[in-house]
Amino acid sequence: QLQLQESGPGLVKPSETLSLTCTVSGGSISNSNYYWAWVRQPPGKGLEWTGSIYYSGSTYYYNPSLKSRVTISVDTSKNQFSLKLSSVTAADTAVYYCARLNTGNNCFDPWGQGTLVTVSS
Amino acid sequence: SSELTQDPAVSVALGQTVRITCQGDSLRRYYATWYQQKPGQAPVLVIYGENNRPSGIPDRFSGSSSGNTASLTINGAQAEDEADYYCNSRDSSINWVFGGGTKLTVL
Repeated sequence: QLQLQESGPGLVKPSETLSLTCTVSGGSISNSNYYWAWVRQPPGKGLEWTGSIYYSGSTYYYNPSLKSRVTISVDTSKNQFSLKLSSVTAADTAVYYCARLNTGNNCFDPWGQGTLVTVSS
Repeated sequence: SSELTQDPAVSVALGQTVRITCQGDSLRRYYATWYQQKPGQAPVLVIYGENNRPSGIPDRFSGSSSGNTASLTINGAQAEDEADYYCNSRDSSINWVFGGGTKLTVL
């Protein structure tokens, strides 16, 4: 059974870079049928797709509203993919989820449990 | 970019049928996917494609679509169905969008 687990600092200072890693277990990240994605959810608000990357790292897509600040990368040797979000503000405070994206069925499944990142000095 | 619009809140009596809707231009091209999220938990996929349920999702959940509107129907709502429900679809070949979510209360 595929499982995803987010990890990284829970507190980031304004203007700094948020960095998170998603570790995939129970299956290989190097599966040509899937992309790997980050989705965030500010406290009490809805879900927002942040970006997606193919296992090879050669193809990636970012939410246009975040595009200038987001970088997603993949490390197949560690079965991990990562998110970097630069120049963060309080508006970037959210629970960040990683998920597998099945572009054939157009669905995010499964999801990690999520990790809360707070932007505060 | 395209948007998906959901009613913020819907209620249903225990055992009755409820429909949760999602509207957006992208739904004319792409099927909606539906997720259930309970407090403090990650979203869970409940409906994808034309009307497909992942293993473990009760058959009281179903999906449908017409024009720019997608619907999630729960036939015989149970207390454990009380949750937030989000629709999702592509808004282009490369971008993805979520609806604002619907809070379902089972009375």
